[in-house]
Amino acid sequence: KQEVTQIPAALSVPEGENLVLNCSFTDSAIYNLQWFRQDPGKGLTSLLLIQSSQREQTSGRLNASLDKSSGRSTLYIAASQPGDSATYLCAVPSNTGKLIFGQGTTLQVKP
Amino acid sequence: GAGVSQSPRYKVAKRGQDVALRCDPISGHVSLFWYQQALGQGPEFLTYFQNEAQLDKSGLPSDRFFAERPEGSVSTLKIQRTQQEDSAVYLCASSLPRYSSSYEQYFGPGTRLTVT
Repeated sequence: KQEVTQIPAALSVPEGENLVLNCSFTDSAIYNLQWFRQDPGKGLTSLLLIQSSQREQTSGRLNASLDKSSGRSTLYIAASQPGDSATYLCAVPSNTGKLIFGQGTTLQVKP
Repeated sequence: GAGVSQSPRYKVAKRGQDVALRCDPISGHVSLFWYQQALGQGPEFLTYFQNEAQLDKSGLPSDRFFAERPEGSVSTLKIQRTQQEDSAVYLCASSLPRYSSSYEQYFGPGTRLTVT
């Protein structure tokens, strides 16, 4: 049974720092891995999707990497800003398509 | 529409009441998923439709939960005799292809249900 874990559960950094969020999964036979952002009281916004054949994806200040063999993905945020404060979730699909989520990392970027 | 929409955005129900939550997926999307997100947790799968067929309902927590998608577009999640433990955000997502494992799911804003 696939399990997804995110560490740390919460993170507080000063503005301008580069930071890394971690996601691990127990079954390496994944189709893809998706990173989401969730603002308080809001739904999920897709940030990046990495296919199983890819090793990384970039969008602006965000870079996500995938290492299937070790069951890990990282989300790198460069030059963090207060507007980056949110909960970040990673998820992998089962073979039926349903997403299995980690518990999320709540990020606070202090001005 | 441009994205997945859900209504109502907020629902307060008294314990024992029935509620119905609606999801409008992105036009043309074949796959539709419902998830439940408790406070401080990641979303958890409830059920999955491919067009009008409910292919997986393994995540529904009890027989008080029922979902339908009769015409393969709009879906309704119904909770009968609500209990306090049903309080959560209910998220709907849609995805384009028949075999959706390799494709992105697009989420709606969610319905926050509070049972008092």
